[in-house]
Amino acid sequence: DTEVTQTPKHLVMGMTNKKSLKCEQHMGHRAMYWYKQKAKKPPELMFVYSYEKLSINESVPSRFSPECPNSSLLNLHLHALQPEDSALYLCASSQVGAGDEQYFGPGTRLTVT
Amino acid sequence: GENVEQHPSTLSVQEGDSAVIKCTYSDSASNYFPWYKQELGKRPQLIIDIRSNVGEKKDQRIAVTLNKTAKHFSLHITETQPEDSAVYFCAASKGGNQFYFGTGTSLTVIP
Repeated sequence: DTEVTQTPKHLVMGMTNKKSLKCEQHMGHRAMYWYKQKAKKPPELMFVYSYEKLSINESVPSRFSPECPNSSLLNLHLHALQPEDSALYLCASSQVGAGDEQYFGPGTRLTVT
Repeated sequence: GENVEQHPSTLSVQEGDSAVIKCTYSDSASNYFPWYKQELGKRPQLIIDIRSNVGEKKDQRIAVTLNKTAKHFSLHITETQPEDSAVYFCAASKGGNQFYFGTGTSLTVIP
């Protein structure tokens, strides 16, 4: 299985809502990532988990809260988002270490109203 | 940190012609350079990658070259087809599970 899956595919939420994005992989990868991507822009790194521990937080606002319950799952909890947070949220996974291929999930298209 | 620049931002070619996209990086410690293709509404997909101990790599119509001294690497697509139309991103990594992306090139292949 060489696939990263993400749910939901689309999400519309109000600024007072709480929602979660989910990501799953069964490739045995021990590094998992959250990226934010705006249209025609490169993916922008948000968080990296390595061996289920948060290793990189790119100064992301606290309204985004990541969680890695086990080596296959990655969540992104959302609360009190702003309209400018509307974007494609991509999950990715890879082996831990130098120079290893990242596999991207299909993304969740988030719209904040 | 690493800074990856990518050119051109848009590229139009006639079907059957070649397309070349160039990236430069700033950190000489970077040692892994993937290229991603992203079609509209889809995920980035790795199309080819190269490591710093190799100067060139080919996979059918796609090739990547790396010049470590000049700190630049390029994607070459030959015999372009309409289905090659997409946004292409280069990236650089020196490990630590951190990837730095270029700004993207929107390639259009005109039938």
